[in-house]
Amino acid sequence: AQRVTQPEKLLSVFKGAPVELKCNYSYSGSPELFWYVQYSRQRLQLLLRHISRESIKGFTADLNKGETSFHLKKPFAQEEDSAMYYCALGGANNLFFGTGTRLTVIP
Amino acid sequence: GAVVSQHPSWVICKSGTSVKIECRSLDFQATTMFWYRQFPKQSLMLMATSNEGSKATYEQGVEKDKFLINHASLTLSTLTVTSAHPEDSSFYICSALQMGTYSTDTQYFGPGTRLTVL
Repeated sequence: AQRVTQPEKLLSVFKGAPVELKCNYSYSGSPELFWYVQYSRQRLQLLLRHISRESIKGFTADLNKGETSFHLKKPFAQEEDSAMYYCALGGANNLFFGTGTRLTVIP
Repeated sequence: GAVVSQHPSWVICKSGTSVKIECRSLDFQATTMFWYRQFPKQSLMLMATSNEGSKATYEQGVEKDKFLINHASLTLSTLTVTSAHPEDSSFYICSALQMGTYSTDTQYFGPGTRLTVL
């Protein structure tokens, strides 16, 4: 069965500090993994997907199949990064979401 | 970028009545749309996949007769909560799938609809 685990419900870091939001998954087969972000009073939006191997807003995420992880990282957190972050598993037409991590960047 | 709207943004209804929620893709056509439900402080749970011109595919545990889905056009899907009860109170979110080149298909989400059943 597929499962996405985000162990931290809340995460607070100071502005300028590195941030890592953890995501572990369980999936039989080759997974597709995504990070979605929801800023305050806004809709859910795609941040990045592992296939693209891109950096969006300074965030990167590397798929580690050995550790079944897809942690989201940013070297220097900004106040505008404060939001709810969801890790998601599956194809674009079959997403399974984790429970989310609320990131707060302290000025 | 692709925009998805939902209407209404919030609705309050009496127990036993039916409520219709609309999901529209404003600047692209979507043969596939999705309906999610989100309880407070919990994740999004996929309820059903809506395909234009065909019956929706419901996830296990979701009552088809309770949550009627119609995807009559390439830009509109509707979710009707029939005979609503207080336990149906929740945040309902739709998304529309924009097809891209391989591995770039993307779900774009609506802002959600808050349903409160008294």
